[in-house]
Amino acid sequence: EPEVTQTPSHQVTQMGQEVILRCVPISNHLYFYWYRQILGQKVEFLVSFYNNEISEKSEIFDDQFSVERPDGSNFTLKIRSTKLEDSAMYFCASSETHTGANVLTFGAGSRLTVL
Amino acid sequence: GNSVTQMEGPVTLSEEAFLTINCTYTATGYPSLFWYVQYPGEGLQLLLKATKADDKGSNKGFEATYRKETTSFHLEKGSVQVSDSAVYFCALNMNTGFQKLVFGTGTRLLVSP
Repeated sequence: EPEVTQTPSHQVTQMGQEVILRCVPISNHLYFYWYRQILGQKVEFLVSFYNNEISEKSEIFDDQFSVERPDGSNFTLKIRSTKLEDSAMYFCASSETHTGANVLTFGAGSRLTVL
Repeated sequence: GNSVTQMEGPVTLSEEAFLTINCTYTATGYPSLFWYVQYPGEGLQLLLKATKADDKGSNKGFEATYRKETTSFHLEKGSVQVSDSAVYFCALNMNTGFQKLVFGTGTRLLVSP
């Protein structure tokens, strides 16, 4: 069964460092997403991406965050200067369409720990 | 705004016990409702969904009914197995615009033999 692949599974970084989390969505999917879950809290929407541009973003997704699809297969989330509060599990997802009942396929997540 | 509330875990059951995980939602409009499951070391997987009131989603022995009158989507299974041990997330998505799932906090289920 097709799956969404995320790397790294766990990254530890120092505050202020740049981090790039990588995702390979399902090949025929057109819509891409990042969500995150701070330990003990809800899974939160960060951003959606379609046709090489951001379609929607949450208030969490400030100027420190950026997304890119550099080569037609990878979908990356960059955090420019990490803060302690960025420590979380980051989930990438993709979908064929964007309608409300459509199913997102999620990756296993990348755990980011900021020291 | 839109939100989902789930019962806190962990829920600890013996094998073959009956499972209920409560989920209620608040939404302006008529969302689609989902249950996702996360097994250890894996991603969030869709377990079941319902797109309109009174719809029942079912999969792998799990069921949930979309109840508009009580704004609920409780997850049930008649007889749990050890392999059902996982974290279960209730979520909603408004049927407008791009996908933006709103999740609950997740409920950990532990099933012992």
